Amino acid sequence: EPEVTQTPSHQVTQMGQEVILRCVPISNHLYFYWYRQILGQKVEFLVSFYNNEISEKSEIFDDQFSVERPDGSNFTLKIRSTKLEDSAMYFCASSGPLRGSNQPQHFGDGTRLSIL
Amino acid sequence: GENVGLHLPTLSVQEGDNSIINCAYSNSASDYFIWYKQESGKGPQFIIDIRSNMDKRQGQRVTVLLNKTVKHLSLQIAATQPGDSAVYFCAENRSSGYALNFGKGTSLLVTP
Repeated sequence: EPEVTQTPSHQVTQMGQEVILRCVPISNHLYFYWYRQILGQKVEFLVSFYNNEISEKSEIFDDQFSVERPDGSNFTLKIRSTKLEDSAMYFCASSGPLRGSNQPQHFGDGTRLSIL
Repeated sequence: GENVGLHLPTLSVQEGDNSIINCAYSNSASDYFIWYKQESGKGPQFIIDIRSNMDKRQGQRVTVLLNKTVKHLSLQIAATQPGDSAVYFCAENRSSGYALNFGKGTSLLVTP
């Protein structure tokens, strides 16, 4: 069964450094998402991406965050200057292949980001 | 504002019993709801979804019920097994698009 894959599984970074989290969504999916989950809390939406542009973002997704689909398979989340409070699990998800319809989002197993 | 939450943070059931996990939502404009299972160290795993034009949907051993009048969603798991032990999240689509707004999660513990 196709799955969403994320790398690395764990990233440790010094505060103030840039970090890039990588995702390979399911190949025929059209919609891509990033969520985060702070330890013991609920999953929070960050950003959605469709047709090579951001379609929706939450208040968490400020100027320090950016997303990119650099080629036909990868989807990345960049945090420009990390803060302690960015420590969380970051999940990538994708949905598709239909356009214009709510469909189940399939999640990767996440990247645990630890900011020191 | 949008608020999706769960009535009970933990639920303990005996193996073989049926489980019911409840969820309340506040956004009457939501038209898509979904349940996820999350095991330790893993990402949310899709279980079942339902659109607002339905009030019940069944899958394999699972049933989702939607009551739009009281803005309530439930997940029923039949013949609960130890492998069902996990945290269960309900989610609804955000008003502005396809992204999801998650509830806080219910921890289901299945005892032999």
